[in-house]
Amino acid sequence: AQSVTQLGSHVSVSEGALVLLRCNYSSSVPPYLFWYVQYPNQGLQLLLKYTTGATLVKGINGFEAEFKKSETSFHLTKPSAHMSDAAEYFCAVSGGETSGSRLTFGEGTQLTVNP
Amino acid sequence: KAGVTQTPRYLIKTRGQQVTLSCSPISGHRSVSWYQQTPGQGLQFLFEYFSETQRNKGNFPGRFSGRQFSNSRSEMNVSTLELGDSALYLCASSLSDFVSYEQYFGPGTRLTVT
Repeated sequence: AQSVTQLGSHVSVSEGALVLLRCNYSSSVPPYLFWYVQYPNQGLQLLLKYTTGATLVKGINGFEAEFKKSETSFHLTKPSAHMSDAAEYFCAVSGGETSGSRLTFGEGTQLTVNP
Repeated sequence: KAGVTQTPRYLIKTRGQQVTLSCSPISGHRSVSWYQQTPGQGLQFLFEYFSETQRNKGNFPGRFSGRQFSNSRSEMNVSTLELGDSALYLCASSLSDFVSYEQYFGPGTRLTVT
């Protein structure tokens, strides 16, 4: 079984400030981890993924995340927030080969960027 | 490459009716998954189809069903609609080649049940 917990349903930052969105996971098999972003009235867009290999992964739009197995975490960061980053962010886990393409999502974090 | 397309984008139905939603995956993708998104329950997995076979199923009642065609296009059907079925239904496709595991999502179909 797999689960994802996103700490903080709402995060507010100033433009230019660090963005940190927290994600902790639980998985009985080696996890494959993803961050998606959703803008209003749109589907989900993949930001980045971790499957195997390097634990620090870089994604689109300046985002990156670090897989920490000992902490069962996969937090998303961006050094400097932009107004266009305002959206809802979802962390997701899958079991890769053991669970096919099935994703288990966290509850989402709404990011607000203040001017 | 064209992305995942879903039709229709918006739908209004009455309780008791049935509805069919359609999804065309990215060219070359063989796996199609469906998710339901609601404010209360978040994103929940419905089912996954691969090579015309249901490979995985979430915890939804039998009123929710799907199928996949030989060209990988997929349809999802909900019978005897309930008010609680109002949601954004998202389709996602993936290569499912045991190398890349990311899924690519369509824009969704917004279903409103009155």
